[in-house]
Amino acid sequence: KNEVEQSPQNLTAQEGEFITINCSYSVGISALHWLQQHPGGGIVSLFMLSSGKKKHGRLIATINIQEKHSSLHITASHPRDSAVYICAVSSPMDSNYQLIWGAGTKLIIKP
Amino acid sequence: GAGVSQSPSNKVTEKGKDVELRCDPISGHTALYWYRQSLGQGLEFLIYFQGNSAPDKSGLPSDRFSAERTGGSVSTLTIQRTQQEDSAVYLCASSLGDIQNYNYGYTFGSGTRLTVV
Repeated sequence: KNEVEQSPQNLTAQEGEFITINCSYSVGISALHWLQQHPGGGIVSLFMLSSGKKKHGRLIATINIQEKHSSLHITASHPRDSAVYICAVSSPMDSNYQLIWGAGTKLIIKP
Repeated sequence: GAGVSQSPSNKVTEKGKDVELRCDPISGHTALYWYRQSLGQGLEFLIYFQGNSAPDKSGLPSDRFSAERTGGSVSTLTIQRTQQEDSAVYLCASSLGDIQNYNYGYTFGSGTRLTVV
């Protein structure tokens, strides 16, 4: 079993829909990251969370430490949101710099 | 520069040749990381530099891989005698500090797509 599990693996939605991507992890963490990878490979760090909730524009990330679960929400989705969204955690049980990566969720937003 | 710069953006090389990939991190970022992503795979950690400390090379897949960081800034990842399984996107990221200091996030470069034919 992977230490970081994302769901769904693939998601296709219509423009304007509310999107939720989930991340569950089985290790103790010091922080959880949400990253966005566009076609062509560029990766952007979206959020880093250790508790609670963060919001940036149409993106919202939440984390529940007790349940070892995080969600990334996109409101009013747009075709330019189409990308792979990756959840990664840093664990105090592991090296400081080696993140444990989820497999990613491929999101396609159709106009 | 404003972001992490990697060059070249694409590299096609013949099996057995050596390649050098360059990463120019954000000025002032003490931490620099190299990752690679093979087709359909997640990100694989390769090597980490933090300030003047000795780099941790534990993620390098073989002794054909090496990396250096000159003057605490630019880093070069070198792959000797390339093999087809080395084909991947090589990503560089930098950070103000250690990732355990979780106020600091990563900034990734756009990557170098390496194809070994």
